[in-house]
Amino acid sequence: AQKITQTQPGMFVQEKEAVTLDCTYDTSDQSYGLFWYKQPSSGEMIFLIYQGSYDEQNATEGRYSLNFQKARKSANLVISASQLGDSAMYFCAMRRGYQKVTFGTGTKLQVIP
Amino acid sequence: GAGVSQSPSNKVTEKGKDVELRCDPISGHTALYWYRQSLGQGLEFLIYFQGNSAPDKSGLPSDRFSAERTGGSVSTLTIQRTQQEDSAVYLCASSLEGSQETQYFGPGTRLLVL
Repeated sequence: AQKITQTQPGMFVQEKEAVTLDCTYDTSDQSYGLFWYKQPSSGEMIFLIYQGSYDEQNATEGRYSLNFQKARKSANLVISASQLGDSAMYFCAMRRGYQKVTFGTGTKLQVIP
Repeated sequence: GAGVSQSPSNKVTEKGKDVELRCDPISGHTALYWYRQSLGQGLEFLIYFQGNSAPDKSGLPSDRFSAERTGGSVSTLTIQRTQQEDSAVYLCASSLEGSQETQYFGPGTRLLVL
C-alpha cells in the first residue's frame, strides 16, 4: 500500500525566510506523481506544485520548489521568502497510475512577522 | 473554465435525518473523489470514481454513507440517519486519469448535525 508521511505537525518561520516542509512516501512503483496542496483557514485546497517520478529536474513554481530525492523517497516542499499569506496547512500527496490519491496528515505553517 | 462546484455550501440538519451533498466536477474529468475533513484534521478519503470502472468505496465509514455518479459527471454523496460525528467539511475533487494529473478541489460543503 502507498503511504505518505509528514512528520511535522506544526512549523514556524520568520517572514522573508525560507522554510522546508518534509514529506516522505512509500511505494514500490516506478511511475507516480507527487503533489503539494495549500489549505488556508478559508478551507479551500489550492494546488501548488507537481513532481513526476521520472522528472530529472526538481519542480519549481514561483517561490515554491520541490526537493525531490527519489532514492530517499522524499519530496520536501521549499518555500522561499515566506510571506504572512503563506500561513496555512500544507498537504503532500501521491498518485500512482490510475489509483486513488493518498494524502499525508499535513503540516501547519505559521509565518511570524 | 469553471472549476469544481459543490452544493450546498452549508447544511445544518437534525440527527437522524438524511442529507444529500452534490458535486459538479470539471467538464471532461473522469476521476472524482469525495473526502471528509473534520476541524483541524487531515483529509479522510471516502470514495473514488474512476471513469467507467467500479468505484473504490474503501473509505466509506459505514453503510449509512453512499455515493453515486450519474452519466460520468455529477456526483451525489448521501448520508442516511445522520449522527453528530458526521459533522465535517465534505470536499469533492476531480481530475483526469493518470499519475501525473492534478486534482482540483471544490469549496466543500460544511455539514453540521445537531
